[in-house]
Amino acid sequence: NAGVTQTPKFQVLKTGQSMTLQCAQDMNHEYMSWYRQDPGMGLRLIHYSVGAGITDQGEVPNGYNVSRSTTEDFPLRLLSAAPSQTSVYFCASSYSGLYQETQYFGPGTRLLVL
Amino acid sequence: AQTVTQSQPEMSVQEAETVTLSCTYDTSESDYYLFWYKQPPSRQMILVIRQEAYKQQNATENRFSVNFQKAAKSFSLKISDSQLGDAAMYFCAYRKGGSEKLVFGKGTKLTVNP
Repeated sequence: NAGVTQTPKFQVLKTGQSMTLQCAQDMNHEYMSWYRQDPGMGLRLIHYSVGAGITDQGEVPNGYNVSRSTTEDFPLRLLSAAPSQTSVYFCASSYSGLYQETQYFGPGTRLLVL
Repeated sequence: AQTVTQSQPEMSVQEAETVTLSCTYDTSESDYYLFWYKQPPSRQMILVIRQEAYKQQNATENRFSVNFQKAAKSFSLKISDSQLGDAAMYFCAYRKGGSEKLVFGKGTKLTVNP
């Protein structure tokens, strides 16, 4: 298993540009989520999904869109990038339900918005 | 809303010594889970240890153990026989029972001196 993969590893954008951060997992996990990590802060939840076709907002959803068309993929879209979105983005996944399984994190995508 | 507080932005320890990282949390829930994640310079988030709130026994994983004080809402991490590879950011995290969403503290940077 590759686990949770994220692409790209690093990206530079200009203000107003759009892009999609990719996240994929091959563990058949129902639950997937996106976090952002800023200096001096812990990870904060952006959006999450409990299964294909189901998404919901986390703590800091503004400026981001998500969709979940397959179990494996959970892309994060920035429609019009802003400097405030400069951050490190982590995708995570886990089995969902009663057993409170451990969440597995991807390696992160570092995004710089100029 | 649940909050997680790590009051020590930085800690240092001598190799082979023991260090304790502090974490407190605020919740009105009775069913929840607590975690310690390690983030080395590679930025990968690695689960160190987890604790179920309904368990009175403190969790241990090799050199890592926790002191879970439910009434005080305290969840500290003890690292015994510290190794150079333990140097990293350590994040305390909370998850409510029935939810997959993690709430993180701001982290503690641990330095291990040879």
